[in-house]
Parts: sequence; structure tokens; C-alpha cells
Amino acid sequence: EAGVAQSPRYKIIEKRQSVAFWCNPISGHATLYWYQQILGQGPKLLIQFQNNGVVDDSQLPKDRFSAERLKGVDSTLKIQPAKLEDSAVYLCASSPGQGLRDTEAFFGQGTRLTVV
Amino acid sequence: SQQGEEDPQALSIQEGENATMNCSYKTSINNLQWYRQNSGRGLVHLILIRSNEREKHSGRLRVTLDTSKKSSSLLITASRAADTASYFCATVLTGGGNKLTFGTGTQLKVEL
Repeated sequence: EAGVAQSPRYKIIEKRQSVAFWCNPISGHATLYWYQQILGQGPKLLIQFQNNGVVDDSQLPKDRFSAERLKGVDSTLKIQPAKLEDSAVYLCASSPGQGLRDTEAFFGQGTRLTVV
Repeated sequence: SQQGEEDPQALSIQEGENATMNCSYKTSINNLQWYRQNSGRGLVHLILIRSNEREKHSGRLRVTLDTSKKSSSLLITASRAADTASYFCATVLTGGGNKLTFGTGTQLKVEL
């Protein structure tokens, strides 16, 4: 079974530039998550999709971050404009439709973003 | 916001020794999960323990859950150098939606 795919693995940009990350979840997984992990901290949920609808985006800085999940499969997360404090690893995860009450989330390898 | 706090933040042991990590959380949970993260990599699921369970085993891993104290522990027995990683607890809250809320993590180093 193929895992969660993310690209790119690494990205370096200057502040005020824009950047986009891509995620392809495990086939058939209805729920997709984007997490931000700052160095030395645990992952923090940015946004959660159920199929192609947003379930939770309460911690997404909507003035600069946006995400979409077209057709309920792939997803992109965009930052525009980037700030120095956005330097982090961005993790995508997916889970089956029945939720996390009985199963785990499956994580991709992450994209390490450095804003200089 | 972080749901869980883990203790210790860092742990260094010799190969063959046991490693114990603790996690405390704040609100009622449906289940608690432990994940491992190798440096620069994604998170790998280790074990899930439900709120009505007190102990669970998987290979060299033993997890306990005390809902009255809102705490959990992860024990790795007979540690190996390959166990060197960061370990995170994550909770699925009761009525809190279908998402994981992570703790701060414990960095484990197993030395030869």
C-alpha cells in the first residue's frame, strides 16, 4: 500500500515570497490533515478536510495560509506571503473515513520550509 | 494549543536498558496514541489505547493509561540504538472531532 506522498521535501524561500506544498493521501482515505511542526515542538493542526470539505481550520492563519482539497483527493497548502516564523516542517496525514476513534493517522515525510 | 505535556523532554540511556516516557493531558479523551519520529522524517504510529483500556502491549512496547490522573506512559524494553527518536503522545478528545492533538514530545537517545 502506498503511503502519504508529499512534495517538495525541502524548500528555502525569502520572507514575503509565496510557497505551495502538495499532498497525496492514501487511496480511499476520506480525512486529510495538515500539521505544522516547529523545531522542538509537537505538530499543531492547521486544517482538517473530510472529503473535499473543511472540518476544522480554527488554527490556520487565514490572512496568509490557504488550503484546498479538490475532488476530495490531493491537497495543496499555500503560504503567501511567508514570514520568518513560518519556518517549520509541514506534515500531511490521512485517515480512513471512520475516524481516529479506532485507527491511527498515516503521515507523509513532511516538507521542511526555511524562510530567510 | 498543546493538549499533552511529556516528561522527560530528553532521555539518554544505554542499549539494553528500559526507557519510560510519560504524557499528561488536560481534557477527556476517546483514545491516546503514541507516535515515533526519526530525525527529519514523518511520524510513525506505535500504539493506540482507548479510554476504557488500562494497559496495552505491542512487541517491546508497553503503554498504560490512567484516565483518573489524565496520564499515560510508554515503556520501551531492551532498548536498541535504532529506538533513538522523538516520541509523541497524541489524544483524540471526547466530542472533539476526528483529529489528533499532540504533546510536546520526548527525545530519546539510545547509546551503544
